[in-house]
Amino acid sequence: QQPVQSPQAVILREGEDAVINCSSSKALYSVHWYRQKHGEAPVFLMILLKGGEQKGHDKISASFNEKKQQSSLYLTASQLSYSGTYFCGTDVSNTDKLIFGTGTRLQVFP
Amino acid sequence: GAGVSQSPRYKVTKRGQDVALRCDPISGHVSLYWYRQALGQGPEFLTYFNYEAQQDKSGLPNDRFSAERPEGSISTLTIQRTEQRDSAMYRCASSLNSGETQYFGPGTRLLVL
Repeated sequence: QQPVQSPQAVILREGEDAVINCSSSKALYSVHWYRQKHGEAPVFLMILLKGGEQKGHDKISASFNEKKQQSSLYLTASQLSYSGTYFCGTDVSNTDKLIFGTGTRLQVFP
Repeated sequence: GAGVSQSPRYKVTKRGQDVALRCDPISGHVSLYWYRQALGQGPEFLTYFNYEAQQDKSGLPNDRFSAERPEGSISTLTIQRTEQRDSAMYRCASSLNSGETQYFGPGTRLLVL
């Protein structure tokens, strides 16, 4: 039931791009993306709702393919501040109950 | 307040003792959520409230765990007869309304000896 994220870990140089995927075995109503730095609380990035929308701000964007039951997070021209663990949280039936994915650890080096 | 606050930030207790963890959500937020997070893992849903009503408690591991939000603001997660396996980070989150962005608090790290 827990969404599977891929890859498990990514190492980047500053300025490089990355894609993080989140796949669910169940139909999704919405997907919430968070970034968590070591020892800190998860920080909200964006919500994608059913309807196949794509969102973005600055150099981080995401897409949601409800037919494939998956979402992807796109990080372009990565910065050192992007380092952390990324989690997708999935809501399968608009119940407010988020099930978080397995996580993707991203490290950006100068 | 400016953000979600939780207390205590750290709690060390002996096996068999009861503990109460407090969450103070962002002012005006209707929905409040409790999660448990193991090291290196994502948050695991425990329960959530809209106002004072507990909407879903399917994630509570067993009947030693309970939560309340009597006045629709501050919430308390209580663990009775703690066991070593209860050791974890317990996080609270709140959102303005159901289905909206959840803002996480700093968490309470619980260690059961």
